[in-house]
Formats: sequence, C-alpha cells, structure tokens
Amino acid sequence: AQTVTQSQPEMSVQEAETVTLSCTYDTSENNYYLFWYKQPPSRQMILVIRQEAYKQQNATENRFSVNFQKAAKSFSLKISDSQLGDTAMYFCAFMKYGDDKIIFGKGTRLHILP
Amino acid sequence: EAEVAQSPRYKITEKSQAVAFWCDPISGHATLYWYRQILGQGPELLVQFQDESVVDDSQLPKDRFSAERLKGVDSTLKIQPAELGDSAMYLCASSLVYSGSLNEQFFGPGTRLTVL
Repeated sequence: AQTVTQSQPEMSVQEAETVTLSCTYDTSENNYYLFWYKQPPSRQMILVIRQEAYKQQNATENRFSVNFQKAAKSFSLKISDSQLGDTAMYFCAFMKYGDDKIIFGKGTRLHILP
Repeated sequence: EAEVAQSPRYKITEKSQAVAFWCDPISGHATLYWYRQILGQGPELLVQFQDESVVDDSQLPKDRFSAERLKGVDSTLKIQPAELGDSAMYLCASSLVYSGSLNEQFFGPGTRLTVL
C-alpha cells in the first residue's frame, strides 16, 4: 500500500521569504504521479503542481517548484517570494499510474506573516 | 470559470439523524468522487462514480452511508444514522474521463458536517 508522510504539521514564514515543505512517500510502484494541493481557508482545494515519476526534471509553476528525489522517495515543495495569499493547508499526494485514486498526506498548515 | 458546486456548505445535526449532501460536478465531467476529510487529516476517498455507475466504494461504510448519481450528473451522499465520528468535511471532486490517463480532479468547497 502507498503512504504519504508530511512531517511538518505547521509552518510560518515572513512574506517574501522562501519556504520548503517536506514530503516523503512509500510505494513499490515505478510509474506514478506526485502532487501538491493547496487548500485555502474556506475555499476549495486546487492543484499547485504535479510531477510524473518518469521525468527526471523537477516541475516548476511560477513561484512553485519541487525537488523530486525518486530514489529517496522524497518530494518537497519550494515556494519562492511567498505571498499572503499562499496561506493555506498544503497536501502532498500520490497517484499510481493508470489509477484515479489519490492518496493524500496529512497536510502542512502554512502561515505567511505580513 | 466552471466549478464543482456543493450544498449545504455547513450542516449541524444530532446523532442518529439522517443527513444528505449534494454535489454538482463541472459540466461534462464523467467521473465524480466523494472524499471525507477529518480535521487534521488529508482527504480519503469514499466513493467514485463513472457516469452513473460506482467504480470504487471500498472505503464507504455501507451500513450507514449511501451515494447515488442517478442520471450521471449530480450526486447525493447520505448518512443515516449520523454518528459523532462522522463529523468531518465532505469533499466532492470531478474529472473529465476515466481511462487510465491522468486527468486533474477539480474539488468543490466541501460540506462541513458537525454531529452533536
């Protein structure tokens, strides 16, 4: 069975700083997807970034980038130039290739301080 | 921009009562998911529909939970009777196809259930 572990329940950083959220996962699969989802307070969850396991290049989306270490089964999210609107719960998630079932971690609550 | 709609946004009920949640997916999305998110946890899949058919309900507590998507569009999740441990956020999501290819799941705002 697949598991996703987020070891940081809560983090706070000052606006404009860079912050890194950690995630590790466990799977015996070779082909899979990894995701970071953002869930702002009282708003719907949205996909921030995704990574295909077969791709060596780390995914980037504007201020968001990942550090994907397949051998170490690590998938961290870096937010550069953090903004107040980045305040949210962030979930790391896993999906086996060919499946639709997403396995979520427990989340990291991120506070961006003015 | 198309969004997944859910209602109600908040529901307070007493244990042993029946509750129902409604979800309207993005138009044209054939796949619909119901998740339960307990406070401090990530979402867990309860049931997945492809059109009107259940694809996966292995994590649905079938003694008290039921879900339907009669016309393959909107869906209802019911709990009867509700228990204290059912207090959670219930999320609905939809995606375009179910074919083994990656299709992004779009989430609704959720229904927060409190059972007293």
